[in-house]
Amino acid sequence: DARVTQTPRHKVTEMGQEVTMRCQPILGHNTVFWYRQTMMQGLELLAYFRNRAPLDDSGMPKDRFSAEMPDATLATLKIQPSEPRDSAVYFCASGLPDTDTQYFGPGTRLTVL
Amino acid sequence: KNEVEQSPQNLTAQEGEFITINCSYSVGISALHWLQQHPGGGIVSLFMLSSGKKKHGRLIATINIQEKHSSLHITASHPRDSAVYICAVMVYSNYQLIWGAGTKLIIKP
Repeated sequence: DARVTQTPRHKVTEMGQEVTMRCQPILGHNTVFWYRQTMMQGLELLAYFRNRAPLDDSGMPKDRFSAEMPDATLATLKIQPSEPRDSAVYFCASGLPDTDTQYFGPGTRLTVL
Repeated sequence: KNEVEQSPQNLTAQEGEFITINCSYSVGISALHWLQQHPGGGIVSLFMLSSGKKKHGRLIATINIQEKHSSLHITASHPRDSAVYICAVMVYSNYQLIWGAGTKLIIKP
């Protein structure tokens, strides 16, 4: 059963520390999405990649967030420096551009103290 | 006005009741998703619709493209159906998803 995997599942860190979240899309999928879910904002799109190229990262705070796809099997989302307001669940999803289905990972629950 | 609106925001019902959750949207879409999120955060994709109706077990999803409206129905509801149900539309032009705020459903035994 192919699944999107995310690591770590939980992360607690102190304000100012760097946080790196990883996502392994389903093999063969060439679109990757990063979403953030908070109680206040609901679910918001942070970044969108197609064939490893960022197509839209307008939802991402550029001063502290960065998203990359070093290769087709790995997507990363980094926060440096982290702030308490970054506490949220971060979801990665992958899919194929010619279909509408996105497959979600289990999420990374981030707590910044 | 939000591009995707769901109603109701919260719904509490007794086991066995027929449940309806509604979703209206204002953008051009290529598909609409219904998603389920259980406590703990895991998201499961229930349906992807571009027209008509789909059924899976006790779940039924319908969409009316002309009216820009979709409904999710749960027949013979059960406490394990308690979750947040999210409507999300795939924007036609760029395959991005726009999410509704979700409907928190509680089914009491």
